[in-house]
Amino acid sequence: QSALTQPPSASGSPGQSVTISCTGTSSDVGGYNYVSWYQQHPGKAPKLMIYEVNKRPSGVPDRFSGSKSDNTASLTVSGLQAEDEADYYCSSYAGNNNWVFGTGTTVTIL
Amino acid sequence: QVQLVDSGGGVVQPGGSLRLSCAASEFSFTTCGMHWVRQAPGRGLEWVTVIWADGRHKFYADSVRGRFTISRDDSKNTLFLQMNSLRDDDTAMYYCVKERAPFDGFDVWGRGTKVTVSS
Repeated sequence: QSALTQPPSASGSPGQSVTISCTGTSSDVGGYNYVSWYQQHPGKAPKLMIYEVNKRPSGVPDRFSGSKSDNTASLTVSGLQAEDEADYYCSSYAGNNNWVFGTGTTVTIL
Repeated sequence: QVQLVDSGGGVVQPGGSLRLSCAASEFSFTTCGMHWVRQAPGRGLEWVTVIWADGRHKFYADSVRGRFTISRDDSKNTLFLQMNSLRDDDTAMYYCVKERAPFDGFDVWGRGTKVTVSS
């Protein structure tokens, strides 16, 4: 199972928005609405930010939103804040009890 | 507070074995599918294995199938990962992870336990 493709980096100024893409295939992202997004700060465990494409767990700010079109999912962070600087990973169920993660995107606040 | 505490990591020689543990608290462990996810130094996340709530269904990534075994002790709310025939590329931080629902995202993560395979 190949990793989902994400851009290595993204950036934006405080208050702006940034969108991260996550490209897979019809066997993973395109085949299931089980796409999730994780935020990871250096030296910390990942944190679930979005599940089932566009749902936010309790406590996650509504500045974080998700969407999907065909084989590509996206995470948008609006109103960027300093604490949003982190690595972000997408993940998708890939069938047959397999899961796949994205390659990861480092978000930098300018 | 919902929590996973993973432990058991260390330094092991290639070909050696290690057993990781993960103690769960403040949620209904017996009704949850549980996973292990790893992250090699400076690299991305890699899904490793899952065990269903029934304890009978277990699935593995190709990279570890036949070498790693996942298990659970519901009487102790504990998840295990037995790792045999360890290789250099198994070096990683290993996270115990709870799934939000079957096939869904991972909503609770342990802090991770570090495994280093080196001679």
